[in-house]
Amino acid sequence: DVKVTQSSRYLVKRTGEKVFLECVQDMDHENMFWYRQDPGLGLRLIYFSYDVKMKEKGDIPEGYSVSREKKERFSLILESASTNQTSMYLCASSRRTGHSYEQYFGPGTRLTVT
Amino acid sequence: TQLLEQSPQFLSIQEGENLTVYCNSSSVFSSLQWYRQEPGEGPVLLVTVVTGGEVKKLKRLTFQFGDARKDSSLHITAAQPGDTGLYLCAGPIQGAQKLVFGQGTRLTINP
Repeated sequence: DVKVTQSSRYLVKRTGEKVFLECVQDMDHENMFWYRQDPGLGLRLIYFSYDVKMKEKGDIPEGYSVSREKKERFSLILESASTNQTSMYLCASSRRTGHSYEQYFGPGTRLTVT
Repeated sequence: TQLLEQSPQFLSIQEGENLTVYCNSSSVFSSLQWYRQEPGEGPVLLVTVVTGGEVKKLKRLTFQFGDARKDSSLHITAAQPGDTGLYLCAGPIQGAQKLVFGQGTRLTINP
């Protein structure tokens, strides 16, 4: 079974702090994703990585950066956390081959910025 | 832009009832996927439909892909409280390895 793990289930940070969210997958998937999920707004893609050290901006990259130094690990960085970044953050991975690109998600990190 | 619209947005029914939720688009998709997300968890892939007209069954859940590959439906027979959750449809964006997601149907099954 594909397993995607996220470093924290719940996180509380103060405004202005630098925040690191870590994601690890164990299925050798090439693609990894970071989403945020907010009520009424659905899943919104923050960043996408299709290979080590490769990244592509998603729909809402402002205020975020990412790092992918190893194939299995994809990190999301909030350079200076703000209250409007309070959200549920979801990491996912998928294979590059095939046609459906099904994604496998981690359990999520509920981040609160105070 | 490929968009997926799900309906209804919210559905609350009694245990034992049947229900259908819909995922529609004006665009053709090579495949569509359905995910279920329980409160506080990440989405879990339920099924992928690939061929126009395809029907797949997962216990009491029946998934159908439209003949023109622009829409899909999920039918649940004799709903149970364990079916409660957010149901998301998704499809691959043409020319990219990303998915577009619908806004979801939040389903509540009352005992």
